[in-house]
Amino acid sequence: GQQLNQSPQSMFIQEGEDVSMNCTSSSIFNTWLWYKQDPGEGPVLLIALYKAGELTSNGRLTAQFGITRKDSFLNISASIPSDVGIYFCAGPLTSGTYKYIFGTGTRLKVLA
Amino acid sequence: DSGVTQTPKHLITATGQRVTLRCSPRSGDLSVYWYQQSLDQGLQFLIQYYNGEERAKGNILERFSAQQFPDLHSELNLSSLELGDSALYFCASSVAGGTNEKLFFGSGTQLSVL
Repeated sequence: GQQLNQSPQSMFIQEGEDVSMNCTSSSIFNTWLWYKQDPGEGPVLLIALYKAGELTSNGRLTAQFGITRKDSFLNISASIPSDVGIYFCAGPLTSGTYKYIFGTGTRLKVLA
Repeated sequence: DSGVTQTPKHLITATGQRVTLRCSPRSGDLSVYWYQQSLDQGLQFLIQYYNGEERAKGNILERFSAQQFPDLHSELNLSSLELGDSALYFCASSVAGGTNEKLFFGSGTQLSVL
């Protein structure tokens, strides 16, 4: 079935480094949502994107809606230990079924 | 706090049993979504309701069913439970359930089937 692929799967970075991750799909999306999930907790919405090419920031986080509408990118600047967690992209399938599917996730670990 | 309330937070039961998970959406949200997350896995879409009506269905097992009530809260019923049903079950809500929505998630119900 339809899948959103995220890369990298996991990454270790040093505190203070910038982080980049992406999400790709085989079909077009009209909305991209980025979430962060801490262990045992529900995903928390970070950024929502609605137009191709759109660039939106939320503090140290910046996300972009790819111009092909088949991908999206999330950047975290100057990472801190509390950035640890799993980052998911999500979006609604465009087949009219309103199914919001989630990506495979990027697990971020920050070394102090 | 997302404003989405899920109860119970933890549930331990035996194989073959039936359980009900409850979700209250954010105030003003008409749509509810259910997701299953197995250990270290992504979120699998189960089902979506909008204003009491089923709107979209994912890979939900026949042993599972859900409904959304007139007061907009939703329940997910899991029956004939198997060990493999152990997972985190999340509910999310959005305003209208369309394709440009923001989904807000509850803190989940951890189901353990022994």
